Amino acid sequence: DAGVTQSPTHLIKTRGQQVTLRCSPISGHKSVSWYQQVLGQGPQFIFQYYEKEERGRGNFPDRFSARQFPNYSSELNVNALLLGDSALYLCASSLSYVNQPQHFGDGTRLSIL
Amino acid sequence: GQNIDQPTEMTATEGAIVQINCTYQTSGFNGLFWYQQHAGEAPTFLSYNVLDGLEEKGRFSSFLSRSKGYSYLLLKELQMKDSASYLCAVRGVGGATNKLIFGTGTLLAVQP
Repeated sequence: DAGVTQSPTHLIKTRGQQVTLRCSPISGHKSVSWYQQVLGQGPQFIFQYYEKEERGRGNFPDRFSARQFPNYSSELNVNALLLGDSALYLCASSLSYVNQPQHFGDGTRLSIL
Repeated sequence: GQNIDQPTEMTATEGAIVQINCTYQTSGFNGLFWYQQHAGEAPTFLSYNVLDGLEEKGRFSSFLSRSKGYSYLLLKELQMKDSASYLCAVRGVGGATNKLIFGTGTLLAVQP
């Protein structure tokens, strides 16, 4: 079975641009979470979605937004990119949003020039 | 506040045993996870503790003491491929109940 898939793998943008990252969860998983991982740090929680509804939001500015589609795939959007947004963006899926381990995709490495 | 502490780096010898400690202070607790992350790759799930005690899975074991806010990951019969970062993560309560709060990770180097 396919794991969590994310696209693109790598992305280079300049300051002020906008970016959309995509995630397809493991088949049957209805919850998707997004994390930002800066080099040398642990992942930081951005959003959690379950059944197309936002279930939680981390301490990130409004430039960050996300949504979940009827097929449970998800997109993370970041507007007005800053140099500090350079990071590995990880998507994780789980069967539900409670009491289930999360399984991570390989991530999208975003570089801002 | 929420705080998870792990050692930054550890070194061990191939074939040996290593214990990676994690202490946490969080506003709620709904389970503790350990993940392994090789450089440039995604974190992979290793273990999950929600009750006190030891969970064993092959060469890996994880221990939890909720009263002490303490966990450790024990790796036995170390192999070179075990060189990676090991992330301790606590699952929160309320709101995003499956939200994981991660430590900064412990970079383990296994030497011949």
